[in-house]
Amino acid sequence: GIQVEQSPPDLILQEGANSTLRCNFSDSVNNLQWFHQNPWGQLINLFYIPSGTKQNGRLSATTVATERYSLLYISSSQTTDSGVYFCAVARTNAGKSTFGDGTTLTVKP
Amino acid sequence: SAVISQKPSRDICQRGTSLTIQCQVDSQVTMMFWYRQQPGQSLTLIATANQGSEATYESGFVIDKFPISRPNLTFSTLTVSNMSPEDSSIYLCSVQGTSGGYNEQFFGPGTRLTVL
Repeated sequence: GIQVEQSPPDLILQEGANSTLRCNFSDSVNNLQWFHQNPWGQLINLFYIPSGTKQNGRLSATTVATERYSLLYISSSQTTDSGVYFCAVARTNAGKSTFGDGTTLTVKP
Repeated sequence: SAVISQKPSRDICQRGTSLTIQCQVDSQVTMMFWYRQQPGQSLTLIATANQGSEATYESGFVIDKFPISRPNLTFSTLTVSNMSPEDSSIYLCSVQGTSGGYNEQFFGPGTRLTVL
């Protein structure tokens, strides 16, 4: 199956700082999503981004499918950004996803 | 996006018993999945719930332990059978193929299971 590696595994920031999270995958994919799991366990959809660049407020994401990686940018971080960020990929548009191990982000006030 | 509800939201069970988790979606969806998230770990796919037929299980998961039903396009159940403490996890229902985002996957709020 596809291997998904996320880095860094843990990240601690001061409020207001910027960060970049990375997701590498081992094979071609047609589906890639970024999720944020909040401290209550809810998975929140951030981006559906099999290729290209998208922005939503302070968050943006870029996927370079030919080089098999995706980046999630968080600017001006807030304490509410704390949680685990997961990258999930699938070979087909309507297929089962493989999740990375996640990046645990802690934003300190 | 889809609105997904799960019941129960959490439960504490005794070893050897079984628990059935329900997943209800507010619209018809193409694909429904069940995931497990063990403490401090990532999500692992248990199975794909197929409407009107047997679920498709991933390696390491078997029907006797995790029977799944999907009677229609908006509802599915996962049963965790003959539970042991190792089954303590969050169980998540996921859907794909909604009118609002066909290829995007959405997750329910999860069921936190503790087995004593």
